[in-house]
Order: sequence, then C-alpha cells, then structure tokens
Amino acid sequence: DAGVIQSPRHEVTEMGQEVTLRCKPISGHNSLFWYRQTMMRGLELLIYFNNNVPIDDSGMPEDRFSAKMPNASFSTLKIQPSEPRDSAVYFCASRELAGGDTQYFGPGTRLTVL
Amino acid sequence: AQSVTQLSSHVSVSEGALVLLRCNYSSSVPPYLFWYVQYPNQGLQLLLKYTTGATLVKGINGFEAEFKKSETSFHLTKPSAHMSDAAEYFCAVSDYGQNFVFGPGTRLSVLP
Repeated sequence: DAGVIQSPRHEVTEMGQEVTLRCKPISGHNSLFWYRQTMMRGLELLIYFNNNVPIDDSGMPEDRFSAKMPNASFSTLKIQPSEPRDSAVYFCASRELAGGDTQYFGPGTRLTVL
Repeated sequence: AQSVTQLSSHVSVSEGALVLLRCNYSSSVPPYLFWYVQYPNQGLQLLLKYTTGATLVKGINGFEAEFKKSETSFHLTKPSAHMSDAAEYFCAVSDYGQNFVFGPGTRLSVLP
C-alpha cells in the first residue's frame, strides 16, 4: 500500500494568496483527519471526516480555513486568504472507521506564508 | 474528555543507555493508548499501541510500553538507545479508536 499521500510536500506563498493542500487516504480507510503542527502549539486536530462527512471541525482556526472530502479517496484543505501565522506543517491521517483503532499519517505539507 | 501529559519536552541519553519516555493520560472510558515517532521532516509513524489484553506491548525498533491503569501511565522504554532513535515521540489516547488526543511530544537526543 502506498500509504497516505499528501501534495504538495512544500508550499511557499505570499500573504493573501489562496493555498490548497491535498490528501489521498489509504485505500479502504473511510475516516480522514487534518492536523496542523507548529513549534508553539504542537499537533492540533483541525477537522475530521467519517465516510466523507465532516464530523468535528471545531479545531478549524477561523473562516479562512475550509476542508472538503468530495469522495472517499480525496480531501482538500484550503486557506483563503493565507497569513504568515498559518505557516506550519499540515498532516493528513486516515484510519478504518469500523474496527480500525490506528491513525496512519502522511508525510505532511510544509507551508510557508511570507 | 481525554488528555495526555508528557512532562519532559526533551530527554537526552547516551548511546547504549536506557530510554524512558513518560506518558500519563486521563480518560473517562477504557483508553486506547499509542506511541508515535516522528523523524525530522517526516510524518508520524506508529511505534506501538495498547487496546486490550496484555498490558506490556512491544513495538518496532525494540521499544515497548506498559499500560498501568492504577498510575494512568503508558511509559515508553528501550533497553539500549541507538543513535537512530533520535526523534520526536508522541503519546496519544483514544476512546475506542474514535477521538485521538496527542501529547505535546518529547524530543529524544542520543549522545555518542
């Protein structure tokens, strides 16, 4: 299995620009998580989906952040407009909803907003 | 509600010495407990997990952890540290695999 795939691996953008991060979960996994990791705040859960439906988005920092999961094999996290404080590593993770007790992480996207 | 405490943000050991990384948790239901490792510029990789059954669990790379309900702890150990063990280690608690809460992480340095 290819594992969780994230793209791009690195993104550098200017303040005010729109940023879209992409994630492909492990085949057969129907629960997907987006996390943000910074030195100051550690690993934070932003949002998670079960069967493509957002279950808990209470971790999304503000309205500039949005996430979608149009099908079982693809999810996006969008930031519009981006700000320097959004600079972080964004991780996607997936697991099997029924009986799956472990989250598997992607390699992350390192976002730098100038 | 669940929470995880990793009191040490940084631990240094000499190569060949015992590694002990501490994790305490709180959970209102029987917990599932996990240790993940993160190498520089990589994602989190599962080291080991406890769900039910034997309280001493063995993971990859010679690591093991013991679930102690009375102490609400799940400390990670390795008898002999190797230079390649230098990484960030995260403890996590979950309620039956649903909601995951991660600790702040402990950075392990291994000195030659």
